[in-house]
Amino acid sequence: QVQLVESGGGVVQPGRSLRLSCAASGFTFSSYGMHWVRQAPGKGLEWVAVIGFDGSHIYYADSVKGRFTISRDNSKNTVFVQLNSLRVEDTAVYYCAKGPSFEHWGQGTLVTVSA
Amino acid sequence: QSALTQPPSASGSPGQSVTISCTGTSSDVGGYDYVSWFQQLPGKAPKVMIYEVTKRPSGVPDRFSGSKSGNTASLTVSGLQAEDEADYYCSSYAGSNYVFGTGTKVTVL
Repeated sequence: QVQLVESGGGVVQPGRSLRLSCAASGFTFSSYGMHWVRQAPGKGLEWVAVIGFDGSHIYYADSVKGRFTISRDNSKNTVFVQLNSLRVEDTAVYYCAKGPSFEHWGQGTLVTVSA
Repeated sequence: QSALTQPPSASGSPGQSVTISCTGTSSDVGGYDYVSWFQQLPGKAPKVMIYEVTKRPSGVPDRFSGSKSGNTASLTVSGLQAEDEADYYCSSYAGSNYVFGTGTKVTVL
């Protein structure tokens, strides 16, 4: 069955960086686009970024454009998101989800940005 | 990239039906047949209930159905059950990006 496992979250100071990973299994990873979605504590879902099946067609939410970078390694069935210049308002649970329609989600990894 | 508009709450008694709306614009909901609906239980990851407006993944009860008219999509839960109490979110493709709804808390009375 499809499994998505995020890792890399933690506590980080404002302005610092973090790299999140999402390991996929149970489907042909190289055939599907992948999303990152986040959810701030007690808030709704916010789409962050998407990457096409072959690493092309990369798009970002305006709120993270220029600070976050999505990438993937199809040889390792893993999608990444590099979080740079982190702000307090980036504090959230970060989920990866299988594209195009978010058919499957991981359990999420918590990123806390705090001084 | 404004969030899609959903009512904050909806409720119904067991066995009744509840319908949740998701209003966007012609640049998202109205422009593409790529609307999805998600159920989120407390402390859990979202789960897709409907995708591409009307399609139901295997394993999702047929009590859940989706539709769209113009810039508004809707999720209907028929024969409401206690386990349907959750937060529900819609999402739509918006031409190179995606947008989620504001979320609706469904309460089973």
